Amino acid sequence: GAGVSQSPSNKVTEKGKDVELRCDPISGHTALYWYRQSLGQGLEFLIYFQGNSAPDKSGLPSDRFSAERTGGSVSTLTIQRTQQEDSAVYLCASSKPSRHEQFFGPGTRLTVL
Amino acid sequence: AQRVTQPEKLLSVFKGAPVELKCNYSYSGSPELFWYVQYSRQRLQLLLRHISRESIKGFTADLNKGETSFHLKKPFAQEEDSAMYYCALSGPNFNKFYFGSGTKLNVKP
Repeated sequence: GAGVSQSPSNKVTEKGKDVELRCDPISGHTALYWYRQSLGQGLEFLIYFQGNSAPDKSGLPSDRFSAERTGGSVSTLTIQRTQQEDSAVYLCASSKPSRHEQFFGPGTRLTVL
Repeated sequence: AQRVTQPEKLLSVFKGAPVELKCNYSYSGSPELFWYVQYSRQRLQLLLRHISRESIKGFTADLNKGETSFHLKKPFAQEEDSAMYYCALSGPNFNKFYFGSGTKLNVKP
C-alpha cells in the first residue's frame, strides 16, 4: 500500500514569507509526528498528533510554527515569516495506535533565502 | 533533560569485521529505545526496538540501564549495512521521541 507522502518535496522561499508543508499519513494511522532535520543534525521532534489532537506543542521552536490535523488524516505544518535558520528537511511520520514503529515520509527540503 | 548521544559521526569497518554503534541516553523514567536506519536514497525506517529483543539483519542491541546505553552490534558487517543509523528514545506513551545525531556506517569491501 501507499506509504507516508509529503508535499512539496522541495520548497525554496524568501525570508519573511509563509510556507505550508503537507503530510499524508498511512490510512488508519492515528498517530502522526513532525520532525526537523538540520544539516548534520539529528531529528528534532516538533509535534505529535493523536487523532486531530496535539497534546504537547512544546517542541515547536517558536510561535511562528503551527500545525494542524484534520479528519484524523492530513496534517499541515505552517511556518510564518520564515527565517534562514528554518532551512532544513522536515519529516513526517505516522504509526498505528499503540504501536511503536513509525513510518516516515520522504521529507520536504525547505530552503529559505 | 532527555537526550540521546551518538558519539561517532562516522564509523568505517571492513566487510566481515564486527561493528558496534554507540548510543547513550539520558532520561528520567523508563525509556523505550529504538534504532532507525536510513539507506542511501531511502526513507528512514525502524531497524529494531529494545522491547522486542529481536535480531534484525544480524543486528542486536541490548539496553543497559546501569550504563544508560543501547549500543547496536553486529558480529560480521556486510557492505549492504552501509547506511546512516539513528538511535531514538521515547517515553512509555510514545508521544515524544528524541533522536541522536546519527552515525554513518561505511563498510568497506
